[in-house]
Amino acid sequence: DAGVIQSPRHEVTEMGQEVTLRCKPISGHNSLFWYRQTMMRGLELLIYFNNNVPIDDSGMPEDRFSAKMPNASFSTLKIQPSEPRDSAVYFCASSLERGNQPQHFGDGTRLSIL
Amino acid sequence: GESVGLHLPTLSVQEGDNSIINCAYSNSASDYFIWYKQESGKGPQFIIDIRSNMDKRQGQRVTVLLNKTVKHLSLQIAATQPGDSAVYFCAEGYYGGSQGNLIFGKGTKLSVKP
Repeated sequence: DAGVIQSPRHEVTEMGQEVTLRCKPISGHNSLFWYRQTMMRGLELLIYFNNNVPIDDSGMPEDRFSAKMPNASFSTLKIQPSEPRDSAVYFCASSLERGNQPQHFGDGTRLSIL
Repeated sequence: GESVGLHLPTLSVQEGDNSIINCAYSNSASDYFIWYKQESGKGPQFIIDIRSNMDKRQGQRVTVLLNKTVKHLSLQIAATQPGDSAVYFCAEGYYGGSQGNLIFGKGTKLSVKP
């Protein structure tokens, strides 16, 4: 079974550039989560969607960050303009909404902003 | 100035010994708990979960214990192997109204000595 698929796996770009991270959740899952992981702050929830609708975006750090989920099988996290402090590993996870269900994570995108 | 990273608690065990990783959770209303394993360069991987109506749940070589009185969760790994070396996270959730949001702990690094 295919797990959560993220792309790219690594991204290195200069500050000021637009960065787009992509995620394909597990088929049939209707909740999708974006996390950021750093050594300083650990794993932080940025935003999550339920049935393609953003439910809680209180973790999105600034207006430079935006996320979309145009359909059940695709989501993007965009940073524009990017800054060096955005450097981190960004994870996408998905889960079934109903009941008590675990989130399943992709292998992340390691983002470096120079 | 020099940045200060997140100093993870570290547990070092001998191969073949049993490991116990502990976690204190914060919300007495949490009713769902998960343990994740994260290896270097990968996303968190689901290990085992437990609902608040249970005190103990067993999987393959792993056991999770829940003590709601003191808000404590533990993960026991039997006959620890080098492949168990990773960072382990506990997560708590409340599905009464949050629609699936989880709160992650800071993690414990498990190091297995051959």
